[in-house]
Amino acid sequence: EDQVTQSPEALRLQEGESSSLNCSYTVSGLRGLFWYRQDPGKGPEFLFTLYSAGEEKEKERLKATLTKKESFLHITAPKPEDSATYLCAVPAGANNLFFGTGTRLTVIP
Amino acid sequence: KAGVTQTPRYLIKTRGQQVTLSCSPISGHRSVSWYQQTPGQGLQFLFEYFSETQRNKGNFPGRFSGRQFSNSRSEMNVSTLELGDSALYLCASSASLNSPLHFGNGTRLTVT
Repeated sequence: EDQVTQSPEALRLQEGESSSLNCSYTVSGLRGLFWYRQDPGKGPEFLFTLYSAGEEKEKERLKATLTKKESFLHITAPKPEDSATYLCAVPAGANNLFFGTGTRLTVIP
Repeated sequence: KAGVTQTPRYLIKTRGQQVTLSCSPISGHRSVSWYQQTPGQGLQFLFEYFSETQRNKGNFPGRFSGRQFSNSRSEMNVSTLELGDSALYLCASSASLNSPLHFGNGTRLTVT
C-alpha cells in the first residue's frame, strides 16, 4: 500500500534560518513526487515535480531533491511570507494524488 | 489565464440535506479531480473525470457523486449529508495524465 509520511508536523524558524522538510514514501513504481504549498483558506499551489532519484529543482528560496525513498524540501534563508503548509504527494492513479499530512512552517520575523 | 474556479466558497447545510458544488477548470484542461480536506484525514481523493467519463474513484460512500460536462466544467453532489461531511472540498484540473494538478480555493461545507 502506498504511504507518504512527512516530518516534522510543524516547524518554527527564525527569518533567515535555513532548514529542510522531509517526505518519505513507499510506492510501487514511482511515477513522480509532487510538492505543494497551501496557505490558510486556499487550495494547494503547485511547486515542483520530481521524477527520478538524484533530481533537483529550485524556485527562489526552495529546493526540492529526491532519493529512492524520500524527498527533501530545503528552505534557504526563509522569510515570513514562506509560512505555509507544505504538502508532498505521489500519484496513486489517473490524476489521483496520495498526499502526506503536511508540514506547517512558521517563519518568525 | 484564469485559474480553477469553485462556487460557492462557503455553504452551511443541515444533516440529511443534499448539496451540489461546482468547479470550472483552467481553460483547455480536460481532467478534473475532486478532493476532500479535513484536519483529521488531510487531503483525500474523491474522483476524477476526463472527457465526461469518471476514470478513477476514491474510497468514499455512494452518497458522493460527480459529473463532468462537455465544456469540462464539473459538479459534485453529496446526498443525505452527515456531520462528518463537513470539510473543505477542493477541485483541481490538469492538462494531462499525471501532470501537475492546479487547485481551486475550495468550497467550505459545514453540516449542522
